[in-house]
Amino acid sequence: ETGVTQTPRHLVMGMTNKKSLKCEQHLGHNAMYWYKQSAKKPLELMFVYSLEERVENNSVPSRFSPECPNSSHLFLHLHTLQPEDSALYLCASSQDRGDEQYFGPGTRLTVT
Amino acid sequence: GNSVTQMEGPVTLSEEAFLTINCTYTATGYPSLFWYVQYPGEGLQLLLKATKADDKGSNKGFEATYRKETTSFHLEKGSVQVSDSAVYFCALSDRGTGNQFYFGTGTSLTVIP
Repeated sequence: ETGVTQTPRHLVMGMTNKKSLKCEQHLGHNAMYWYKQSAKKPLELMFVYSLEERVENNSVPSRFSPECPNSSHLFLHLHTLQPEDSALYLCASSQDRGDEQYFGPGTRLTVT
Repeated sequence: GNSVTQMEGPVTLSEEAFLTINCTYTATGYPSLFWYVQYPGEGLQLLLKATKADDKGSNKGFEATYRKETTSFHLEKGSVQVSDSAVYFCALSDRGTGNQFYFGTGTSLTVIP
């Protein structure tokens, strides 16, 4: 039990769909992260939020749009995705940036 | 710059064998070091950590010692079980470079009965 939940756990979407991934942390942390994990590739950091402000955006295509309405919730809005975007999307949180991160179970996304 | 290098996998061991997964790091400041574990179908879980040189992190029979002289943080377990089959990630956090967090590429471990 990590205190970080993600919904949905699995998502299949077409390339023209719009969907959102949700992450919620119950740990009172100030920083939240989105990662992409693809088979045979290193973990890729996508976005970092600290105190609800985006502090890092690692050259992620605009078809991925993050939103952090408060310190407990983080969303990843998806639109017009490509098949190569199929991956496990992991959310994490930490007390502050640089502290150990706690991960959710991930959303397995398949783009058809 | 900062980076983490861990041994290539996959690693296959028999139950009760000794495990070592090597991890070395490069850092400009005084990093904290971590090992995470990812079981099939799950997210990463913090396994252990060490925040300064010569610290030993331990959890669930796993240990790792922060060796500044060799810039290493090798993961060890004396007797692995089938339930230890997972992917293990070494990671570094360096407050001296904007609180960045760096993960290694992961090492897959399979333990066979």
